[in-house]
Amino acid sequence: QSVLTQPPSVSGAPGQRVTISCTGGSSNIGTSYDVHWYQQLPGTAPKLLFYGNANRPSGVPDRFSGSKSGTSASLAITGLQAEDEADYYCQSYDRSLRAWVFGGGTKLTVL
Amino acid sequence: QLQLQESGPGLVKPSETLSLTCIVSGGSISSSDYYWGYIRQPPGKGLEWIGSIYYTGNTYYNPSLKSRVTISVDTSKNQFSLKLSSVTAADTAVYYCAKHKYPNWGPDYWGQGTLVTVSS
Repeated sequence: QSVLTQPPSVSGAPGQRVTISCTGGSSNIGTSYDVHWYQQLPGTAPKLLFYGNANRPSGVPDRFSGSKSGTSASLAITGLQAEDEADYYCQSYDRSLRAWVFGGGTKLTVL
Repeated sequence: QLQLQESGPGLVKPSETLSLTCIVSGGSISSSDYYWGYIRQPPGKGLEWIGSIYYTGNTYYNPSLKSRVTISVDTSKNQFSLKLSSVTAADTAVYYCAKHKYPNWGPDYWGQGTLVTVSS
């Protein structure tokens, strides 16, 4: 049971828009701690997709966007492409646990 | 370009100590801008932070693993290391080393990872 809750899977057709939610609580996302997102392609290490809630590292397409509100965060992907098929993880810090916490991961399938 | 490379045994016996080293190249582990950490991922499962270290030797451990974890840094060799004691099958995972900018922030760069299996 992960501290941050993500849907196990989402899917969409090429060109469509999908969103992945990340729900936490008052001791993590609901505080001032930032949310970060990672993309993990099959058989590879995770790669930073967003940092500090909505900042995109260089090289990440602007089809990807991130946001945070209250105790939740979201990752949106527009213009879905086959290469976007991967697992996506959110991450924050929990002040009660005094530890990084990750979501359980969401598997994105491009139909 | 910065590279992180994990090295260590791929098979560890139950009750023994898992030891991994992360060799940093293309950058200095003594940079004041970064922290260095370990994260693991059991096969088919999610990510778990193990702990992190600053070049000064300050460490931050996941409380759920703290009693079994030691992370150390060797600035002369530009590497940092993980020791996890009293391992069980539940410790079987891909272990990643990574760098991050702040103690509370997740990694901005990951090593490729190494699978460690705990089995007799």
